[in-house]
Amino acid sequence: DAGVIQSPRHEVTEMGQEVTLRCKPISGHDYLFWYRQTMMRGLELLIYFNNNVPIDDSGMPEDRFSAKMPNASFSTLKIQPSEPRDSAVYFCASSFLARQLEAFFGQGTRLTVV
Amino acid sequence: GIQVEQSPPDLILQEGANSTLRCNFSDSVNNLQWFHQNPWGQLINLFYIPSGTKQNGRLSATTVATERYSLLYISSSQTTDSGVYFCAACPNTGNQFYFGTGTSLTVIP
Repeated sequence: DAGVIQSPRHEVTEMGQEVTLRCKPISGHDYLFWYRQTMMRGLELLIYFNNNVPIDDSGMPEDRFSAKMPNASFSTLKIQPSEPRDSAVYFCASSFLARQLEAFFGQGTRLTVV
Repeated sequence: GIQVEQSPPDLILQEGANSTLRCNFSDSVNNLQWFHQNPWGQLINLFYIPSGTKQNGRLSATTVATERYSLLYISSSQTTDSGVYFCAACPNTGNQFYFGTGTSLTVIP
């Protein structure tokens, strides 16, 4: 398996623009997680899905952020409108029966909002 | 959620030295992982170790779940071991991982 695939790897956008980050989990995994990494806050969970259903979105910072998982092989994280403080590395991870087996991370998307 | 604390925050080693990194967690867990974030930002799985001891080459890890801590041992360190080491714990009461703040390791030749 190719692992968790995220795109794009890098994104530079202007403040106010819409940004869409994409993730393809490992085939067969039933949990998908979106994390954000910043120097100030470290790695923090934004939202996670189980069998394509959002389970906990309490980490989503505000209404400008939304995430979807239309099927088992694809998820998006959208920021609209983007702000400079959204600049961070966004990671997607997937796992199978998260409480019992290990999670695997994608390579991340480095977002810069200018 | 649970609190995950790592120590030391920073570590500088001479190549060939050994080290021990510690991860404390505040509640019972059913899943614990160690990751290495390399200088390119990739999070590499090192160990999935909710309990017991595992070894992989120069690295080994031990988790004592009853005492709520895990240790990562690095022996004969190499410059390629540099980076940030994270532990992440999944509490019994949830399905999400909580990350520690990491140990930044620099191995100098």
